[in-house]
Amino acid sequence: GQQLNQSPQSMFIQEGEDVSMNCTSSSIFNTWLWYKQDPGEGPVLLIALYKAGELTSNGRLTAQFGITRKDSFLNISASIPSDVGIYFCAGQSAGTASKLTFGTGTRLQVTL
Amino acid sequence: ETGVTQTPRHLVMGMTNKKSLKCEQHLGHNAMYWYKQSAKKPLELMFVYNFKEQTENNSVPSRFSPECPNSSHLFLHLHTLQPEDSALYLCASRQAGGPGETQYFGPGTRLLVL
Repeated sequence: GQQLNQSPQSMFIQEGEDVSMNCTSSSIFNTWLWYKQDPGEGPVLLIALYKAGELTSNGRLTAQFGITRKDSFLNISASIPSDVGIYFCAGQSAGTASKLTFGTGTRLQVTL
Repeated sequence: ETGVTQTPRHLVMGMTNKKSLKCEQHLGHNAMYWYKQSAKKPLELMFVYNFKEQTENNSVPSRFSPECPNSSHLFLHLHTLQPEDSALYLCASRQAGGPGETQYFGPGTRLLVL
């Protein structure tokens, strides 16, 4: 089956630092999504990407759909304490309508 | 209510109990999903419903029984569960035919099986 490798698994950063995380796939995706999950809550959609090469921002968050369609990146600029949580990538490939494959998540912790 | 809601938020049950999880979406979507989230594992898709019809059963044990009476409501009936079924159960919805495959999640039900 499809696999999504998400890295890093966890990050400890200081407030104000920039953060980068990525996901790579063994197969091509048509859609990449990035979610954030707070403790005890469900994942919340941050950014959706629909075209190879697409670069999309949402406030301090920027995500890119890789040209090869096998990877995606999420960057967070000037991190703040409320950025703490688990970030998941998810992808949807051709022929798998309505099904997403999720990464294992990147746990972000921010120190003051 | 807005978005996707789930009740109860927390549930403790014995292995012989029967309980049901409820999900309701207020987004006008026509596809709904059940996922299981266990520690340190990717989200596992359990069931998919499109227009109230089940289109995916991801090899889920029969002790989990979904029900979708209409496009806005989704249930997961639980009976004779095992301790390893303890997890966060997430419901999601999507507008089939919409741009991409964006799914919106509820807050989840934290289930503990004793």
